[in-house]
Amino acid sequence: QKEVEQNSGPLSVPEGAIASLNCTYSDRGSQSFFWYRQYSGKSPELIMFIYSNGDKEDGRFTAQLNKASQYVSLLIRDSQPSDSATYLCAVVSSNTGKLIFGQGTTLQVKP
Amino acid sequence: DGGITQSPKYLFRKEGQNVTLSCEQNLNHDAMYWYRQDPGQGLRLIYYSQIVNDFQKGDIAEGYSVSREKKESFPLTVTSAQKNPTAFYLCASSIRGKPQHFGDGTRLSIL
Repeated sequence: QKEVEQNSGPLSVPEGAIASLNCTYSDRGSQSFFWYRQYSGKSPELIMFIYSNGDKEDGRFTAQLNKASQYVSLLIRDSQPSDSATYLCAVVSSNTGKLIFGQGTTLQVKP
Repeated sequence: DGGITQSPKYLFRKEGQNVTLSCEQNLNHDAMYWYRQDPGQGLRLIYYSQIVNDFQKGDIAEGYSVSREKKESFPLTVTSAQKNPTAFYLCASSIRGKPQHFGDGTRLSIL
């Protein structure tokens, strides 16, 4: 089992819809979770981080964390074509403190 | 502007040659990291440094070397021992316990 798993996609949604991106992790002791957005050919950009169970909202983005089920998700409301990118989930290992990345989910928002 | 500067943007390596990728940050961050990204993959940690004059191997350190003589600088050398060096190399930095932020990356190819 991979330490951090994401469906590679592509996930295709129409403009204005809600995009839901999911990530599961294997380290039950992990406390810190991050979502990065990576446009094609560019470097990752931090868009959300979450440390506590529940939801965290920032503009059109909501991060959801469920430690009991070991998943973290990212919701993008009112999706725009400019949201089309690869979204990387990252989890801090409780053993090493290193940041472990999933392979990323490619999101396509169609006008 | 504060940020992380990687250079060059593109780099070509000949057989048997060592090449050095530059990473400089003016964010006063203690920790710096080097990652490798292959097409369609997540990021894999090569080396990291939490403090000047100290660094640790990541998950794929073979064929790479680093130094951390100054807080602002964390250069990565890709040696001739790295047989498959073609990839996108990303440098990141952070304050301890805080999210990592990335430079724009260097694309390394084989001539």
